[in-house]
Amino acid sequence: GESVGLHLPTLSVQEGDNSIINCAYSNSASDYFIWYKQESGKGPQFIIDIRSNMDKRQGQRVTVLLNKTVKHLSLQIAATQPGDSAVYFCAENGGGSNYKLTFGKGTLLTVNP
Amino acid sequence: DTAVSQTPKYLVTQMGNDKSIKCEQNLGHDTMYWYKQDSKKFLKIMFSYNNKELIINETVPNRFSPKSPDKAHLNLHINSLELGDSAVYFCASSQVGIGVEKLFFGSGTQLSVL
Repeated sequence: GESVGLHLPTLSVQEGDNSIINCAYSNSASDYFIWYKQESGKGPQFIIDIRSNMDKRQGQRVTVLLNKTVKHLSLQIAATQPGDSAVYFCAENGGGSNYKLTFGKGTLLTVNP
Repeated sequence: DTAVSQTPKYLVTQMGNDKSIKCEQNLGHDTMYWYKQDSKKFLKIMFSYNNKELIINETVPNRFSPKSPDKAHLNLHINSLELGDSAVYFCASSQVGIGVEKLFFGSGTQLSVL
């Protein structure tokens, strides 16, 4: 099945705070995960990815954590800025030979100045 | 230069009409996709083409017909449009290795069926 929710989760933070966005995935065969950011009126943009042989990966101001035991993925954004306000999606590949990414429901992040 | 470009950005039409959305990518990728995003922001794959060959066809009404004239283009034609077709449609591309790698998305086409 797919990791879905009934409503779009929201997270509101103050500028300068750290943000943590969570995602639960359901396909234990997935071995590649991606976080996307979608700003209003635009297409999703790649932020960071991680393979299942890792449990942590860092980028610029972002860190992705992967817990395969509980099938959980998180995105940490350090020193959140107003420009980080967007909908964030996690996606999983469903296994190595799969040709599609399955997206989660998304989380709306609002950064208050 | 835009990596994945789709046209038009907005499409407003009447029920029953036929319309097309075009997509082009200049990344040299071998795989292209159409995703549909509903009003709750849920993104769901519709089709995927690898080197002009259809490899994914999710449960999509046959009123939707993708066409890939070459691996840089993937167009979406929709017949007999219905109210429920109103959504944002995203084209994407990727270079598939062992499996799918990260997708590059276009800016979307907002389709409104009246």
